[in-house]
Amino acid sequence: DSGVTQTPKHLITATGQRVTLRCSPRSGDLSVYWYQQSLDQGLQFLIQYYNGEERAKGNILERFSAQQFPDLHSELNLSSLELGDSALYFCASSVSGIHTGELFFGEGSRLTVL
Amino acid sequence: EDQVTQSPEALRLQEGESSSLNCSYTVSGLRGLFWYRQDPGKGPEFLFTLYSAGEEKEKERLKATLTKKESFLHITAPKPEDSATYLCAVLPSSNTGKLIFGQGTTLQVKP
Repeated sequence: DSGVTQTPKHLITATGQRVTLRCSPRSGDLSVYWYQQSLDQGLQFLIQYYNGEERAKGNILERFSAQQFPDLHSELNLSSLELGDSALYFCASSVSGIHTGELFFGEGSRLTVL
Repeated sequence: EDQVTQSPEALRLQEGESSSLNCSYTVSGLRGLFWYRQDPGKGPEFLFTLYSAGEEKEKERLKATLTKKESFLHITAPKPEDSATYLCAVLPSSNTGKLIFGQGTTLQVKP
């Protein structure tokens, strides 16, 4: 158990809809990262938050947005969903605000868009 | 362009049959190279960090090594519980350096 909690574990929705994925980092970790994992693209970095502030941005679509709240949990909002958005979405956390490779990942949220 | 390539894509071993997984990388300066293990339906689990050529790290039956262009994950006398996908990732030293993952090697160890 990494200590990172993600909900929901599975989500099935239709094209055009909007969903919110939630992540609670490990106790004491201030950084939260969101990653997308699909069969053809592998693990792709989306965005990083550190102590409530956006710290780094990766290949995140404009239809996607995220935020980190004062209690350090984070939400990833996916809107106007397309079939190609079907993937595993992982949250990871770390203590440092500097982008690091030593991350603790949650078990992921599997999104299926029909 | 920063890139990470892992080979082979899949590897089948008999229990006790040692082998190595390869991770080749092209980056404009390396801040670190990382190995993760991912079980089906789970998130990646951090294994090792390597910072400079010549460095080695060990954990149980796994040993990671690093050169200037590639890293190897050596698996000695593997057991069925070592079956998983092994991911390699690099962190470039550029100002906007973000973790770049390879596609992974899926290892199956048969009893």
